[in-house]
Amino acid sequence: AQSVTQLGSHVSVSEGALVLLRCNYSSSVPPYLFWYVQYPNQGLQLLLKYTSAATLVKGINGFEAEFKKSETSFHLTKPSAHMSDAAEYFCAVRVFSGGYNKLIFGAGTRLAVHP
Amino acid sequence: KAGVTQTPRYLIKTRGQQVTLSCSPISGHRSVSWYQQTPGQGLQFLFEYFSETQRNKGNFPGRFSGRQFSNSRSEMNVSTLELGDSALYLCASSSDYNEQFFGPGTRLTVL
Repeated sequence: AQSVTQLGSHVSVSEGALVLLRCNYSSSVPPYLFWYVQYPNQGLQLLLKYTSAATLVKGINGFEAEFKKSETSFHLTKPSAHMSDAAEYFCAVRVFSGGYNKLIFGAGTRLAVHP
Repeated sequence: KAGVTQTPRYLIKTRGQQVTLSCSPISGHRSVSWYQQTPGQGLQFLFEYFSETQRNKGNFPGRFSGRQFSNSRSEMNVSTLELGDSALYLCASSSDYNEQFFGPGTRLTVL
């Protein structure tokens, strides 16, 4: 079955430090992969998506992710963390089920940024 | 374009009651999906509607139901509420499955 695993439910970094949020996927077909961010009391906002084009995907707010087929990974990175990046981040994979597509989400990683 | 809107934003109900949540998708989007988000279970897919037809369903009991209207607006209904139904219910609309746009959610508290 197709799924995603996010390693680390909580990640804490200093302001200005590298952000690395890990996501591994399981898929029998070339996957479509997504990273979403959720701020407190809000819905999910798309950060970036991989749809089998370039393996390095750039998103909003300075985030990027690299699709590595050999490692079945799609880790999210940002060179320099900002206080406003504190939020929960979800990795998702599009799966084909019951004749149609749907998204399966990872458990989420809560990012804390401290001064 | 206006984003996905969900009403109400907050609801408090008691066990045994029923509740109806509403979602208005982005104009032109025909697909509406519903998710339940809880601290323990994370984001779980409830169901998806496309052109007034349910075409995908998650593993939730029959107390959870939904529908979609001809203008693509969608409602979900939960009957005989249980304490465990307390959650943030998120609606997402899409024109295709390359991207889903989420609403702010409805936070349901069951007492």
